[in-house]
Amino acid sequence: SQELEQSPQSLIVQEGKNLTINCTSSKTLYGLYWYKQKYGEGLIFLMMLQKGGEEKSHEKITAKLDEKKQQSSLHITASQPSHAGIYLCGADISNFGNEKLTFGTGTRLTIIP
Amino acid sequence: GAVVSQHPSRVICKSGTSVKIECRSLDFQATTMFWYRQFPKKSLMLMATSNEGSKATYEQGVEKDKFLINHASLTLSTLTVTSAHPEDSSFYICSALPLSRTGANVLTFGAGSRLTVL
Repeated sequence: SQELEQSPQSLIVQEGKNLTINCTSSKTLYGLYWYKQKYGEGLIFLMMLQKGGEEKSHEKITAKLDEKKQQSSLHITASQPSHAGIYLCGADISNFGNEKLTFGTGTRLTIIP
Repeated sequence: GAVVSQHPSRVICKSGTSVKIECRSLDFQATTMFWYRQFPKKSLMLMATSNEGSKATYEQGVEKDKFLINHASLTLSTLTVTSAHPEDSSFYICSALPLSRTGANVLTFGAGSRLTVL
């Protein structure tokens, strides 16, 4: 079974609308990373969360880690075509502190005009 | 910011040949690099952890004789796919962990290498 579940698997959103992507684990997430990937390209770092209840924002993207550190959400406000891509959450579930990340299943975001 | 370079970005080879993919940290030293494999429309699967000066640690189910990893210096790790077959065709991505971890963005990914085995 997948240790990190992302939902939804795909998302089609009209430009200007808000959206949320979730990342859930049955294990404690000692370091939760959000990345964006264009198909066939590398990963672009978005944000990292470590503390329960932590929330970070960058431009129109906000990421949160719940108090129990088992779920994270990525929220995009007023989506734009540039937000289209694959969003991946990755987490250190071992607590070895070596950044050995397990990745979620990914969410493919499409923005329609 | 930290940059990780992968080369080649694309490679096509004949079945039975070996292919080497390089992962370089351009402006920082990395004692640890990770190699991932990504199938079409799938997530990243960790293959192995590459440690400078020591043997790589492979994940369960990954053949170490098939995927040779060498981390010869603090800025370079190589993945060699030996005797490649069509089922080895995939997108391979590396990431590097800086020796000096002072910022939140401690793990940097390369742009990936797409291997096609004919």
